[in-house]
Amino acid sequence: NAGVTQTPKFQVLKTGQSMTLQCAQDMNHNSMYWYRQDPGMGLRLIYYSASEGTTDKGEVPNGYNVSRLNKREFSLRLESAAPSQTSVYFCASSERAGANTGELFFGEGSRLTVL
Amino acid sequence: DAKTTQPPSMDCAEGRAANLPCNHSTISGNEYVYWYRQIHSQGPQYIIHGLKNNETNEMASLIITEDRKSSTLILPHATLRDTAVYYCIVRVAVGTGGFKTIFGAGTRLFVKA
Repeated sequence: NAGVTQTPKFQVLKTGQSMTLQCAQDMNHNSMYWYRQDPGMGLRLIYYSASEGTTDKGEVPNGYNVSRLNKREFSLRLESAAPSQTSVYFCASSERAGANTGELFFGEGSRLTVL
Repeated sequence: DAKTTQPPSMDCAEGRAANLPCNHSTISGNEYVYWYRQIHSQGPQYIIHGLKNNETNEMASLIITEDRKSSTLILPHATLRDTAVYYCIVRVAVGTGGFKTIFGAGTRLFVKA
């Protein structure tokens, strides 16, 4: 019962470096999401994928790219990391794209520090 | 563009009911209200959701007003482990046929012994 798995759990980058956060779910969910959470703040939606083959911007997409590799996997890429991207990143998934199927299942988070 | 408003913090005595309010005055007829909580820096945990009828599960009860413009999450017997940030959410339909879930700032609930 892995649920939603994120890698890596911790990462330290220098300004300008690139990296990819990986997310995989084993629940056959259609929709997947990436959020970021800054200290003392709520979660903000970066990108989401309502279904395999589609991706859309959320509230704070600048500086990020995503790939829905297949139904299971949804990756988040930082092309040129900036200190403002220091945050905890959460991946989530939900079953179907319907009004009554919105229960999100979250991963444990990836803590990223950009120096 | 969170569609809900919540008080920033609340206190509750251990063993008493915790009543967490949420306003969602712009909710549409087919939009559900969801509640999550986040303990420390863990990923948020689903609690309950509803459309217009009151709902109850093993964790909590959800009371939605008749006009659906507000709701209350009730933890019937709060424990210290219920200390967390509670998020009230209305999901936003998107053009690709799905929904996106926007979190607001939430209510930080402190349960005190």
